[in-house]
This record gives sequence, structure tokens and C-alpha cells, in this order.
Amino acid sequence: DADVTQTPRNRITKTGKRIMLECSQTKGHDRMYWYRQDPGLGLRLIYYSFDVKDINKGEISDGYSVSRQAQAKFSLSLESAIPNQTALYFCATSDVGGVANEQFFGPGTRLTVL
Amino acid sequence: GDSVTQMEGPVTLSEEAFLTINCTYTATGYPSLFWYVQYPGEGLQLLLKATKADDKGSNKGFEATYRKETTSFHLEKGSVQVSDSAVYFCALSDMGGTTDSWGKLQFGAGTQVVVTP
Repeated sequence: DADVTQTPRNRITKTGKRIMLECSQTKGHDRMYWYRQDPGLGLRLIYYSFDVKDINKGEISDGYSVSRQAQAKFSLSLESAIPNQTALYFCATSDVGGVANEQFFGPGTRLTVL
Repeated sequence: GDSVTQMEGPVTLSEEAFLTINCTYTATGYPSLFWYVQYPGEGLQLLLKATKADDKGSNKGFEATYRKETTSFHLEKGSVQVSDSAVYFCALSDMGGTTDSWGKLQFGAGTQVVVTP
């Protein structure tokens, strides 16, 4: 079974709709992240959470919100979707401590906003 | 702020050819460096990492050496296979930088590699 899962894997929605992307992990990590991937831009950080009570904005948080329901669950919401939020979204986790901040990624959610 | 620059793709080469993907970085603290790989339709997987200067990360025939003097972490493989076709991302984590960068990964734009039979 995958350590980091994302649902749905694909979603097509219309402008103005509210949509939630969910992420669950079985790795027992405290830290969780949401990224979006656009061609030629790499991955950009939307929000991150270092524990259940800690939520932080990343570099492109406008138009998004998150909820950390439990250590294992971190959801990303688009309150009113717009076409330029069409992208591939990834959830990732990492462990506290260690020298390097190695992150473990889910399989991604492909979101299309019409 | 921290940044990662990697060569643009796509890089197209034949099976058994030598692959190099250049990556340079800017960081204020003491970064750890990573190469992630994304196979078609999948998420990112860690390919290799290096945590201090002169460290060499290696995995699946790929290697990269952390060069502090040239702020580089170039990825190399001596003989690629069709199964190496993927997008490769260079990234850094600046654990000794500002609190704003601590604990986060900064990614390059990615380099698509296409290996033909």
C-alpha cells in the first residue's frame, strides 16, 4: 500500500465551484505539504504544516486554504476554482529531525478547471 | 532567497548514452541537496541526496557530487536506458538558513529526459 495517498486522482470542475483535495499518510510524519506543478515552473509550495496545530502559507497560497484534521490527514481546498488553478497537485510528508528534509510524495491529483 | 537553476529540457538521447543534467544553487545557510525523479503519471521519488560539501549521492547508476566551490550538484549517469525517461528535479533544503526557508524544499524547474531505443 502507498504511504502517501491522494484523492481524487483526477478531477474536472467548473469555474466558481468549491473543491477539496485530500491527502492521507501512513508514514507517521508530522510535516505535510501541498505543492502545485505547472510545466516549466517546477513545484511551488502552497501550504505546509509542521504539526496538527501549525499551518503556514507557502509562496502561492492565494485562492487556497488547508485543514490539518489529524497527523495523518491534510486537505487542500479551492473555495472558488478558477481556470489558472488547473495544475497537478502533490501532497508530501517529511519527518522531524535529521540533517536533510527528505520529502515523500503522493501520486498527485490532476485538476482541470473549466 | 534560496534558488535552484537546472538546465532546460527536453534532453533527448539514445540508449546507452551518457547523461548529464546541470544544477546550480543559491543558498544562505547550509543546504542539503536532492535529485528527485518523476516517471510519467507518477509522483516524485527521491533519487539521491547529499547533505554536505564533497558528499556524493548515488542510486540506480546515477551520481551527483555536492560541490560547494561551484555551488553545483550535477546529475550523471554513464549509460541510460529507455526506462530512465522521466522528469528530473534538483532541489535544496536550507536547514541553516533563515527561519522562513527552514524545513522547506526549493525545486528547480525540472528537466525532461527522453531516451530512445
